[in-house]
Amino acid sequence: DAGITQSPRHKVTETGTPVTLRCHQTENHRYMYWYRQDPGHGLRLIHYSYGVKDTDKGEVSDGYSVSRSKTEDFLLTLESATSSQTSVYFCAISDRTDYQETQYFGPGTRLLVL
Amino acid sequence: LAKTTQPISMDSYEGQEVNITCSHNNIATNDYITWYQQFPSQGPRFIIQGYKTKVTNEVASLFIPADRKSSTLSLPRVSLSDTAVYYCLGGDTGGFKTIFGAGTRLFVKA
Repeated sequence: DAGITQSPRHKVTETGTPVTLRCHQTENHRYMYWYRQDPGHGLRLIHYSYGVKDTDKGEVSDGYSVSRSKTEDFLLTLESATSSQTSVYFCAISDRTDYQETQYFGPGTRLLVL
Repeated sequence: LAKTTQPISMDSYEGQEVNITCSHNNIATNDYITWYQQFPSQGPRFIIQGYKTKVTNEVASLFIPADRKSSTLSLPRVSLSDTAVYYCLGGDTGGFKTIFGAGTRLFVKA
């Protein structure tokens, strides 16, 4: 895999607690993404980053925040976890041009909110 | 946004050629078409990308007609290990709202 790690790989937490997921890359790619994947929904974009400190919302951003203080790390925070946020979370990186992009995905984080 | 439409599922047998067609009627003039493969419990993996006509690599071929409103991913002589979900993506010029959709679930039987 293209130098992407996610931590933790598995997490169980309780409703109402804050949770932070980390995505780390060693490829020096500019663009980073957080997706969630649920049965029957494919992958849905939560937030993305187009540079250090540059982030924007995706399709399903409510209840999530992100931060990118350096190129290699992109953090996803669930401010107050809810059971509806139980999901598998994937981070992706890319070095896109205006019209062409290939995304490389991390191994995923399985989150269970009780 | 270049939303795509592809079959929800397909079945095949080992050794057969599998063709998965995706429609992307409103793809932008300069955007590329990209296919990904996802195995259970793993992130998607890039398979192939093209702009027009035909692209071939060690894994698959991609056929794109002149009007670019559709594309066909061709997997030659599939094996059981090709059982996966296949996603077709059209570009999203000017934005980053990549839409994966639900993909096509391919089952390869012995």
